[in-house]
Amino acid sequence: DGGITQSPKYLFRKEGQNVTLSCEQNLNHDAMYWYRQDPGQGLRLIYYSQIVNDFQKGDIAEGYSVSREKKESFPLTVTSAQKNPTAFYLCASSIGDGGGNNEQFFGPGTRLTVL
Amino acid sequence: GESVGLHLPTLSVQEGDNSIINCAYSNSASDYFIWYKQESGKGPQFIIDIRSNMDKRQGQRVTVLLNKTVKHLSLQIAATQPGDSAVYFCADSWGGTSYGKLTFGQGTILTVHP
Repeated sequence: DGGITQSPKYLFRKEGQNVTLSCEQNLNHDAMYWYRQDPGQGLRLIYYSQIVNDFQKGDIAEGYSVSREKKESFPLTVTSAQKNPTAFYLCASSIGDGGGNNEQFFGPGTRLTVL
Repeated sequence: GESVGLHLPTLSVQEGDNSIINCAYSNSASDYFIWYKQESGKGPQFIIDIRSNMDKRQGQRVTVLLNKTVKHLSLQIAATQPGDSAVYFCADSWGGTSYGKLTFGQGTILTVHP
């Protein structure tokens, strides 16, 4: 079964702790993305990666960090510097081959609550 | 489109009615457009896409219309059902971002009443 998995589905952390959200895909996609979604709002891009060992800041990168050591994995760390980390986090991937089909495939999301 | 952190607009329809959800985009160079459906607590799911060399594309019960002159995109859902209740997002991209970076619209909440 091909797709994107995110774990865990729900995550609770104390204020001031760093936390890492997992994202794995077996679609053989080159590009991967992290979005943040607040209640009743749209998607905001945190970081994206076009290829292994490369990533770029999105619109709201402050307080977050990522790595892309393997093609299939793009973990997101929410650091203590992120002032309001409670949100729904979505990971996505796309083929990224420049062929014009830019559909992004989304994971099920991780809901992070900081207490 | 551009997500600006505002609360989402809403559309309420009766079961069986046709629904039209609208979206404006800002980049005149955009050449790929896509609609997603997001149910509560889940990730967005692909509905339909269209490239800039077309102005209409039909799927099962859904039609996307593209008006490049006014930078407007719409999603039409025929015979709307309660299961269509969700948040709908449009997104666009342009050839300069060949790896697939999308710019998302703010989304519309569709509520279908039985």
